[in-house]
Amino acid sequence: EVQLVESGGGLVQFGGSLRLSCAASGFTFSSYAMTWVRQAPGKGLEWVSGIGESGSGNTHYADSVRGRFTISRDNSKSTLYLQMNSLRAEDTAVYYCAKKGDYYWYMDVWGKGTTVTVSS
Amino acid sequence: EIVMTQSPATLSVSPGERATLSCRASQSVSSNLAWYQQKPGQAPRLLISGASTRATGIPARFSGSGSGTEFTLTISSLQSEDFAVYSCQQYDDWPHTFGGGTKVEIK
Repeated sequence: EVQLVESGGGLVQFGGSLRLSCAASGFTFSSYAMTWVRQAPGKGLEWVSGIGESGSGNTHYADSVRGRFTISRDNSKSTLYLQMNSLRAEDTAVYYCAKKGDYYWYMDVWGKGTTVTVSS
Repeated sequence: EIVMTQSPATLSVSPGERATLSCRASQSVSSNLAWYQQKPGQAPRLLISGASTRATGIPARFSGSGSGTEFTLTISSLQSEDFAVYSCQQYDDWPHTFGGGTKVEIK
């Protein structure tokens, strides 16, 4: 069974840092690009960041997080990461990791999400 | 960035009726558009990719159409399990933006 399990969320103070992880199983992780998407309380989905199969040199960010968040992956561990620095109240959200589809950048498998709360 | 606009924000429909949801892109995204369904407390689920290709296991009552800037998701006969929020997403250009979502509620 294809599965994505996020972890690392929690309560953090304004300006703090947090690293999210997404453990993948049931598919060849190194063959698929991956994405982070977030959802603030009561709001819609917001695309956050994406990374290609090999990782290096193929990363993309939303303007709202560029320069503060860093996406990375460890294919040997089948794990995706999101390092979040200089956190703001507006970063409070459920963070989902998702797997890219077979041919294009739609997302065909999603994790259940991990919650990040930034307090002031 | 490409702005995705969905309408209406809320759609009230009776079970068995047809629902038509719209998604508009601020510039052409070709057919690089996906639709997702999300129920309360759950992760999104892929319904449609490539504007019109149903994902594995998605019932035939869900259909997508359009290209360029105008897209439509149609649910031909709403079932109780279809009441949810539906979001479109373009993956033609970075960042891969979402629309604000349409909530389909029971009338």
